[in-house]
Amino acid sequence: RKEVEQDPGPFNVPEGATVAFNCTYSNSASQSFFWYRQDCRKEPKLLMSVYSSGNEDGRFTAQLNRASQYISLLIRDSKLSDSATYLCVVNIMRRNAGNMLTFGGGTRLMVKP
Amino acid sequence: GAVVSQHPSWVICKSGTSVKIECRSLDFQATTMFWYRQFPKQSLMLMATSNEGSKATYEQGVEKDKFLINHASLTLSTLTVTSAHPEDSSFYICSATGTRTDTQYFGPGTRLTVL
Repeated sequence: RKEVEQDPGPFNVPEGATVAFNCTYSNSASQSFFWYRQDCRKEPKLLMSVYSSGNEDGRFTAQLNRASQYISLLIRDSKLSDSATYLCVVNIMRRNAGNMLTFGGGTRLMVKP
Repeated sequence: GAVVSQHPSWVICKSGTSVKIECRSLDFQATTMFWYRQFPKQSLMLMATSNEGSKATYEQGVEKDKFLINHASLTLSTLTVTSAHPEDSSFYICSATGTRTDTQYFGPGTRLTVL
């Protein structure tokens, strides 16, 4: 079983739609959680951190459920420029080995006009 | 946000040659740098973690003699792929964290193609 699992998609949605991505992680020692965005042939870029209380940044809302080991990302009013791969990322602090980011396989979003 | 650069952005080499990739933090001191590899349509996989002035810690399955990492200063880490083979062709990405934050800032990546 992968440590961080995501539906690979692709999610094809029209402009203006609301779309939700889910992610589950297996290591209960995971300490912090993020959503990154990766455009084709580019490096990942931090979209937002994810907190248990839920957090919102403009059209993006992230939620964390530690009990279920589940993370979500909601994008409202999708724009063409939102088309990318969204990576669910979990940070684990390992004894004697420092912290480690574990990446999910990514969910591809394609927003159509 | 913090800026991390990589050089070169792409490289094509013959099988058997060695390739060096540089990762630099441009506006902060990077106490820890990470090297990742990403194959097509797959996610990033951590190869190794390096702290300035000490030996790198390699992930399971990554050959330390093949992927030489040097983190000689607080702004520079290098990854050398020795005796590269076609199966080493991949997207290599570095990231760095500074003294004030655990956030990893990613470089733009280096696309390696071994013929």
